[in-house]
Amino acid sequence: GAVVSQHPSRVICKSGTSVKIECRSLDFQATTMFWYRQFPKQSLMLMATSNEGSKATYEQGVEKDKFLINHASLTLSTLTVTSAHPEDSSFYICSAKSGGRGATQYFGPGTRLLVL
Amino acid sequence: GESVGLHLPTLSVQEGDNSIINCAYSNSASDYFIWYKQESGKGPQFIIDIRSNMDKRQGQRVTVLLNKTVKHLSLQIAATQPGDSAVYFCAENAGGATNKLIFGTGTLLAVQP
Repeated sequence: GAVVSQHPSRVICKSGTSVKIECRSLDFQATTMFWYRQFPKQSLMLMATSNEGSKATYEQGVEKDKFLINHASLTLSTLTVTSAHPEDSSFYICSAKSGGRGATQYFGPGTRLLVL
Repeated sequence: GESVGLHLPTLSVQEGDNSIINCAYSNSASDYFIWYKQESGKGPQFIIDIRSNMDKRQGQRVTVLLNKTVKHLSLQIAATQPGDSAVYFCAENAGGATNKLIFGTGTLLAVQP
C-alpha cells in the first residue's frame, strides 16, 4: 500500500525558533499533499493544500507567513513553523494523494511539536 | 467538521461484540466519504470508503452505511477485537473542485476484554 513518512516524529524547540517538518510519499508520486493540525482529543483541522510546483492554498485563519509550505517535488512537501510559540505546540500530520478528486488520501505518522 | 471540546464521544464494547460508530455530515454536496482509524500518537489509517451512489459497502469485518436523506454515515465493526481500540473519524469530501476532506469530531472506541 501507499506509504507516507514524516520527519521528525517529535521535536522540541525554544520559543522564537523555526521548525521544519518533512512529508514524503515513499512509493507513489503525490500530486497533492495536505497539512493538518490536531490538538489533544480533537479532530484534524486542515491547514493547507499543496500541489507540486505551485503555491499552497491555506485555509481561513491559517497564517501563510507563519506556516510556510514548500512542495518542491512529487514526493516531498515541507512545513516550516516560523517563530514558533507555545500555542503552536500540536500534532502536525500530512497526507498525500495521487490522482484527482476522490482519490484516497494516505496519512503520515504525524510530528509532535512542543514549543517551550 | 469543526473540532469541539476536549472530550471525545466514547463507545465501550465487549470483545467479540459488534460495534456501530455513527457520524453526521454537513454538506449535502459531498459525494465521497471515508472512515479512518487513529491510534494514540499515530496518523489516521484508512479503513473503508463509500461514494454517494452507494448506500452500503463491505470490507473485511467492516461495513459502511450511507444515508444521504438524513446525511448520516455509520461504521460497523464485526466481532470487535482489542486491537480495534482507537479513535474513529469519518471524513467527507467537501465537494466542488476541491479535494479537501472535512473530518468529523471522532469517536473513541474502547474494547473491553
